[in-house]
Amino acid sequence: DTAVSQTPKYLVTQMGNDKSIKCEQNLGHDTMYWYKQDSKKFLKIMFSYNNKELIINETVPNRFSPKSPDKAHLNLHINSLELGDSAVYFCASSQLGQGMNTEAFFGQGTRLTVV
Amino acid sequence: GESVGLHLPTLSVQEGDNSIINCAYSNSASDYFIWYKQESGKGPQFIIDIRSNMDKRQGQRVTVLLNKTVKHLSLQIAATQPGDSAVYFCAETGSARQLTFGSGTQLTVLP
Repeated sequence: DTAVSQTPKYLVTQMGNDKSIKCEQNLGHDTMYWYKQDSKKFLKIMFSYNNKELIINETVPNRFSPKSPDKAHLNLHINSLELGDSAVYFCASSQLGQGMNTEAFFGQGTRLTVV
Repeated sequence: GESVGLHLPTLSVQEGDNSIINCAYSNSASDYFIWYKQESGKGPQFIIDIRSNMDKRQGQRVTVLLNKTVKHLSLQIAATQPGDSAVYFCAETGSARQLTFGSGTQLTVLP
């Protein structure tokens, strides 16, 4: 079974549309993330979220919003899509704790193209 | 803000040689460091990690060195193989409870 799965793998949409990317992890981790990877391969964190707090990167436009129906899911909703939103979006999960941090496991990515 | 950066964006090595990929970090509170490998069309995959109470850790053909004095991290790959060609990222976790990545190094293994 895939540890972190995200759908869809590819998403092509027009400017101004609203879209969602889904993410699920079956690792029992307490923290999930969304990252944006640009054309230069730079991985920029957008959100980190556990059942207690949401940490938002201040550079992320408020058109982006994470939605977590439960501990195993963290979906990414994007309103009013813009051309500059085109990128690969990665979901990840990890277990964080005092002195017990673990590596993050990543999904396969969603390539979003806004036309 | 805090950042994790790499010295070289690209690295080419001959097959069979050893590779060294470097990373500088700026957050002195970071206590956990990870190297990831990302192949084309895939998500980053864990290679090896090291905690701040260690200065060296070895895996299969890979070694991570941590120098907290100068806030430097390196990944050494022994006997580099074509399958090692990928983008390599260092990442760190500190008190912010999130994983911050460096800018990545493209490793190309030449035949």
